[in-house]
Amino acid sequence: NAGVTQTPKFRVLKTGQSMTLLCAQDMNHEYMYWYRQDPGMGLRLIHYSVGEGTTAKGEVPDGYNVSRLKKQNFLLGLESAAPSQTSVYFCASSYTGLPGTDTQYFGPGTRLTVL
Amino acid sequence: GQQVMQIPQYQHVQEGEDFTTYCNSSTTLSNIQWYKQRPGGHPVFLIQLVKSGEVKKQKRLTFQFGEAKKNSSLHITATQTTDVGTYFCAGNQAGTALIFGKGTTLSVSS
Repeated sequence: NAGVTQTPKFRVLKTGQSMTLLCAQDMNHEYMYWYRQDPGMGLRLIHYSVGEGTTAKGEVPDGYNVSRLKKQNFLLGLESAAPSQTSVYFCASSYTGLPGTDTQYFGPGTRLTVL
Repeated sequence: GQQVMQIPQYQHVQEGEDFTTYCNSSTTLSNIQWYKQRPGGHPVFLIQLVKSGEVKKQKRLTFQFGEAKKNSSLHITATQTTDVGTYFCAGNQAGTALIFGKGTTLSVSS
């Protein structure tokens, strides 16, 4: 099992450019999440999905879009990147969102810099 | 909205000293989870507490869940350099997404 994988690992964008971050999991998990981590801010939830074809907003959704066309994949899109989106992005998945089965498994992260 | 607060934000100890981080919620939680993130790494699940007053141990780590299910603590006995990293608590109410605290970063000098 590869667990949760993320591509790319690093990326540098110019302001206004767009990109998509890909997250894949091979654990047959229903729930998937996108977080951003900034110094001193902990992990902040951007968007999440409770199943194929569903998405929901988290704490900091503005400037991001997501799609979950396949159960194993969760894509995070930045349509017009801004320097404030410079961050480390983590994807995570869990079997469900219910207590006892909501342990989250994280990918290795994507370090994004927007100039 | 629901908030999960952690203190302290940073802690430096000498190897062999004990370490404790505290987690407090503004609302009653259905469960609390603890994660560890090594420098340059990703968060890794350590443990989940579900019951009021629950205490669990993993070798030198002791986790507690408060009686009111609004607070939790992680205590490390006799720290080692391998304990370095950021420890996050995360909690939720039933049916809501996990909310992570901002973490406590532990540094250990030998």
